[in-house]
Amino acid sequence: KAGVTQTPRYLIKTRGQQVTLSCSPISGHRSVSWYQQTPGQGLQFLFEYFSETQRNKGNFPGRFSGRQFSNSRSEMNVSTLELGDSALYLCASREGQGATFSGANVLTFGAGSRLTVL
Amino acid sequence: DQQVKQNSPSLSVQEGRISILNCDYTNSMFDYFLWYKKYPAEGPTFLISISSIKDKNEDGRFTVFLNKSAKHLSLHIVPSQPGDSAVYFCAASAIGATNKLIFGTGTLLAVQP
Repeated sequence: KAGVTQTPRYLIKTRGQQVTLSCSPISGHRSVSWYQQTPGQGLQFLFEYFSETQRNKGNFPGRFSGRQFSNSRSEMNVSTLELGDSALYLCASREGQGATFSGANVLTFGAGSRLTVL
Repeated sequence: DQQVKQNSPSLSVQEGRISILNCDYTNSMFDYFLWYKKYPAEGPTFLISISSIKDKNEDGRFTVFLNKSAKHLSLHIVPSQPGDSAVYFCAASAIGATNKLIFGTGTLLAVQP
């Protein structure tokens, strides 16, 4: 089974630009979550999608948005980039949704998209 | 407000010895805890988990201990191997509250040959 695939792996943008990151979940997984990893902050939850609907959203400004398509693939978008948005953006998938993260609901992460904002 | 805290940014141990990684949490609603391991240029991978109804869970060289009264959990790796060198993240979830994982800031483990 192929893992979670994220593209692009690396990208450089300048302040004020926008960026779109893509995530293809494991086949059969219907839930996709996005996390931001920065030094000293660990992984911060951005949002989770299940069946094309956003199920939960973290404490991030409205510049951060996402969507999920009917094939479970997901994209996240960051508009009006700021220097502080430089981070590793991780996508994770699991079979179901809800607050249990065991068994088939273990989150499986992709390798991430490293965004640098200059 | 860091609900899951890993107060040791790094840890160095000798090969063959025990590695103990610690994690503290503040939210008493957390009832499921996980450890993830992350190598550079790779995504975090699930390592081991524990439900709040247990105080210990073992999987090979890895054991997680949970002390609910102290809101503390720890990951023991015995014996430590150089391949265990990675960043370890502690994470928690709360049933009935949200459907997201709250992660700590990670501990970089270096196992010296």
